[in-house]
Amino acid sequence: DAEITQSPRHKITETGRQVTLACHQTWNHNNMFWYRQDLGHGLRLIHYSYGVQDTNKGEVSDGYSVSRSNTEDLPLTLESAASSQTSVYFCASSGQTVETQYFGPGTRLLVL
Amino acid sequence: AQKITQTQPGMFVQEKEAVTLDCTYDTSDPSYGLFWYKQPSSGEMIFLIYQGSYDQQNATEGRYSLNFQKARKSANLVISASQLGDSAMYFCAMRTYGGSQGNLIFGKGTKLSVKP
Repeated sequence: DAEITQSPRHKITETGRQVTLACHQTWNHNNMFWYRQDLGHGLRLIHYSYGVQDTNKGEVSDGYSVSRSNTEDLPLTLESAASSQTSVYFCASSGQTVETQYFGPGTRLLVL
Repeated sequence: AQKITQTQPGMFVQEKEAVTLDCTYDTSDPSYGLFWYKQPSSGEMIFLIYQGSYDQQNATEGRYSLNFQKARKSANLVISASQLGDSAMYFCAMRTYGGSQGNLIFGKGTKLSVKP
């Protein structure tokens, strides 16, 4: 069955370190998204991609970057982790004509 | 500005009863889609139901239905015959087809607790 996976599921890091969160989908979806979820804010869009080599900034993109070298993967990089980036991170994907975004299981990141 | 508002931070419902979770939205785009997601305590985001702005009929998926009132800009989720497993956070979301094509805007969620 097609799926979307995230790794690691839990991560503890220190401020200033570079961290990369992986997202891999086997739906063959063109569109991929990264969100963060914080109490009181719901889910907020960090970056998104509509296809290979395409990346775009979302609502809360400062301090994050993404790259899309193939259809299946959209890794999210925190260039220099900050305590404010402690959050739960969700990756999602959707097809060209399919409306629905399907979410990965999430990654809990703690920045100390 | 595009916005989703869920005014009920928390709700209780008795098992086997129906419950309505409120969602209002704001957009100037004539073409948009409305979604509901469920997030149980385990943390995953589960898609429940979708309504397009041009759909004539309210969407239904099993025990879930979406009460779409376009003039009022509301998209309430109705869960019939509540079950204990329905206890979760519920998020309303909107996708517009303007400049931010494909991006979802989420409300802050409603925590539903089903009482036995």
